[in-house]
Amino acid sequence: QSALTQPASVSGSPGQSITISCTGTSSDVGSYNLVSWYQQHPGKAPKLMIYEGSKRPSGVSNRFSGSKSGNTASLTISGLQAEDEADYYCCSYAGSSTFVFGGGTQLTVL
Amino acid sequence: QVQLVQSGAEVKKPGASVKVSCKASGYTFTSYGISWVRQAPGQGLEWMGWISAYNGNTNYAQKLQGRVTMTTDTSTSTAYMELRSLRSDDTAVYYCARDLKDSFDYWGQGTLVTVSS
Repeated sequence: QSALTQPASVSGSPGQSITISCTGTSSDVGSYNLVSWYQQHPGKAPKLMIYEGSKRPSGVSNRFSGSKSGNTASLTISGLQAEDEADYYCCSYAGSSTFVFGGGTQLTVL
Repeated sequence: QVQLVQSGAEVKKPGASVKVSCKASGYTFTSYGISWVRQAPGQGLEWMGWISAYNGNTNYAQKLQGRVTMTTDTSTSTAYMELRSLRSDDTAVYYCARDLKDSFDYWGQGTLVTVSS
């Protein structure tokens, strides 16, 4: 199982919107609406931000949104804030009770 | 509140085994599975496998088949991950996470396992 493909880095200024893509295959992202997104600050455990492609857990800001088209899922962060600077990982169910993560994207808030 | 508390850092020699624990609290342990995820230094997240805390069923990532065993002790609400025949590229932070079958909502604090001669 190959890792999902994410851009290594993205950046944006405070108040702007950014989108992080996550490209898989017809065996994972394309087959299931079960993509989740995680935020990880340095030295910390990942935090669930989006599940089932577009749902937000309780307590996660509505500035975070998710979507999917074909084999590519996307995470959009609107109204960028300094605290959003972190690494972001996508993860997809890949069938047979297995999961695959993306390589991660480093978000820099300029 | 839901908490997953993991055991402390380990240093192991190549070829040895390591067993990491993950004690759950704040929810009914047998109602959820536990997944294990690792992160090598400066690298991304890698899903290692899953165990049902209800019946002990497991599913492991293909690349770790034969070297990893996941177990649970329902009497203490603790999950365990044992990795054998350790190599230098097993050096990583190992996380346990509560598995919702489509995502992982609560994570342990992580356990650093260093494999070095």
